[in-house]
Amino acid sequence: GAVVSQHPSWVICKSGTSVKIECRSLDFQATTMFWYRQFPKQSLMLMATSNEGSKATYEQGVEKDKFLINHASLTLSTLTVTSAHPEDSSFYICSARSNGDHEQYFGPGTRLTVT
Amino acid sequence: QQQVKQSPQSLIVQKGGISIINCAYENTAFDYFPWYQQFPGKGPALLIAIRPDVSEKKEGRFTISFNKSAKQFSLHIMDSQPGDSATYFCAATPGQAGTALIFGKGTTLSVSS
Repeated sequence: GAVVSQHPSWVICKSGTSVKIECRSLDFQATTMFWYRQFPKQSLMLMATSNEGSKATYEQGVEKDKFLINHASLTLSTLTVTSAHPEDSSFYICSARSNGDHEQYFGPGTRLTVT
Repeated sequence: QQQVKQSPQSLIVQKGGISIINCAYENTAFDYFPWYQQFPGKGPALLIAIRPDVSEKKEGRFTISFNKSAKQFSLHIMDSQPGDSATYFCAATPGQAGTALIFGKGTTLSVSS
C-alpha cells in the first residue's frame, strides 16, 4: 500500500520559535496533500489543502501566515508553525492523494508541544 | 450539509461480539465513504471504503453497509477482538480531485476480553 511519512514524529519547542514538519509520499506521487490537526479525543480538523506547485487553500479560521504550507514537489509538503504558542500544541497529521485516486493515505502524525 | 454524523461516541463490546458504528450524511454529492481506524498517538489507517453503487462491502471481519436512500452507512466488526480497541472514524468526500475528506467525530471502541 501507499506509504506516507512524517518528520519529526515528536517535537518540543519554546514559545515564539518556528517549527517545520515534513510530509513525504514514499512510493507514489501526491498531487494533493492535506494537513490536519487533532486535539485529544477529538476528530481530525482540516487545516489546509495543497496541490503541487500551487498555493495552499486554508480552511476558515486557520491563519495562513501562522501555518505556512509548501508543496514544492509531488512527494514533499511542509507545514511550518511560525511563532508557536502553547495553544498550537497539538497532533498534526498529513495525508496525501494521487491524481484520480479517491483514497487518502495518512502519515503517522507529529506531536507538537510548545512550552 | 457538509457534516457527517457518527454514533455512538463510545462503544463497549465483549470479545467475539459484533461492533456496529453508524454514520449519516446530507450531501448527495458525496460518492466515496471510507472508514479509518486510529490508535492513540498514530495516524488514521484506512480500513475499508465503499462507493454508493454497492450496498455492502466486506473485507475480512469488517463490513460496510450502505443505504443510499437513507443516506446512511455503517461499519460492522464481526468477532471483535481486544486488538480492535481503537477510535474509528467514518468519512465522506465528493471525490473530485483535490477534495478533502469530511470526518465524523469518531467512535471509541473498547473490546473486553
